[in-house]
Amino acid sequence: GQSLEQPSEVTAVEGAIVQINCTYQTSGFYGLSWYQQHDGGAPTFLSYNGLDGLEETGRFSSFLSRSDSYGYLLLQELQMKDSASYFCAVRDSEISSGSARQLTFGSGTQLTVLP
Amino acid sequence: DTEVTQTPKHLVMGMTNKKSLKCEQHMGHRAMYWYKQKAKKPPELMFVYSYEKLSINESVPSRFSPECPNSSLLNLHLHALQPEDSALYLCASSQGAGGPGDTQYFGPGTRLTVL
Repeated sequence: GQSLEQPSEVTAVEGAIVQINCTYQTSGFYGLSWYQQHDGGAPTFLSYNGLDGLEETGRFSSFLSRSDSYGYLLLQELQMKDSASYFCAVRDSEISSGSARQLTFGSGTQLTVLP
Repeated sequence: DTEVTQTPKHLVMGMTNKKSLKCEQHMGHRAMYWYKQKAKKPPELMFVYSYEKLSINESVPSRFSPECPNSSLLNLHLHALQPEDSALYLCASSQGAGGPGDTQYFGPGTRLTVL
């Protein structure tokens, strides 16, 4: 079966650094993505890791270790606007036509940034 | 441009109504997706179109009927829905080519309420 584990809630203060972990067990693996979703909004793509290592995009970084089936999202210099849900998502199954991959989402981590 | 548009933003319908949700992208993406999302839950995949062909139907009830008129448009036809179908319906698209280019980009969603 497919399963992704991430913490349900994380709280931190403005200016701090927070790490959201994600462990996965999926039948196929074609990369780990991270999405941010504010209340009432749509998921917004943050980052993708197809290979082991760290990807950095501004204040956000994402890491992947395929041997450990583990990744994390690192948010630095937290701002109030970073309060949102964060989903890790694994590209697993291949879709029959073309080469699109199906995404399996974790249950999401609610990040609350306090002043 | 990574924009996926959806109309309407909000929809209230009775259980006997017929309505349609619309999704459009002009990024040249060849894979398009419908997701359903309940509050505080991750998006659940409903349908995938890859190169304008229905590739995945995740055991969705027949009261939901997808349609892909062309590579830029995706519709979801609704008929005889139940109150438990009330949710945020998200459309997404991706290049459909696999690899890093297969990032899914989400539209803003349609908030559906079934009375």
